[in-house]
Amino acid sequence: AQSVTQLGSHVSVSEGALVLLRCNYSSSVPPYLFWYVQYPNQGLQLLLKYTSAATLVKGINGFEAEFKKSETSFHLTKPSAHMSDAAEYFCAVSEKGTASKLTFGTGTRLQVTL
Amino acid sequence: NAGVTQTPKFQVLKTGQSMTLQCAQDMNHEYMSWYRQDPGMGLRLIHYSVGAGITDQGEVPNGYNVSRSTTEDFPLRLLSAAPSQTSVYFCASSRQMNTEAFFGQGTRLTVV
Repeated sequence: AQSVTQLGSHVSVSEGALVLLRCNYSSSVPPYLFWYVQYPNQGLQLLLKYTSAATLVKGINGFEAEFKKSETSFHLTKPSAHMSDAAEYFCAVSEKGTASKLTFGTGTRLQVTL
Repeated sequence: NAGVTQTPKFQVLKTGQSMTLQCAQDMNHEYMSWYRQDPGMGLRLIHYSVGAGITDQGEVPNGYNVSRSTTEDFPLRLLSAAPSQTSVYFCASSRQMNTEAFFGQGTRLTVV
């Protein structure tokens, strides 16, 4: 069975600082990986996805993530945090061949301070 | 383009009552899913469907029923509500396997 681990339920950074949100997965087959963002009282919005093409994936709002098979990781980064980035971020995995059945991590709440 | 629409947005039920959470999508997506979101647990899959007439169980299906009579609609039924079903419920749809899932705005359900 696949699983996703997000280290750190809360992360706080200063505006302009690097954002690093960690995600490790376990999967018996090469997976598809996703990062979603959830703003308060809203649904989830896709930030980016890895589907076995380039290992460095660029997404919306300046975010990117790198797939590292040897480390089973898919960490999310952004060079410079903005106040509008404050939200909850979820990493999710889907095994190839499964019908969009996503397995989510427990989420990381990002706080951005002045 | 409405995307994925969930109704109602908020609902309070008494223990033992039944209700249906509605989900509709206008993107002609084949795949639809229901998730529940609980604090500290992320989202967990309840049921999913790969097309009209085809449904299957996810990780936490007990106490919920689904059916998929049309491509557009995927309602979630609570047969006899329990306090443990207090949660935020999200419906999602996607065009193909392992493509982007589009989420609705969620239904916040409280069972007292």
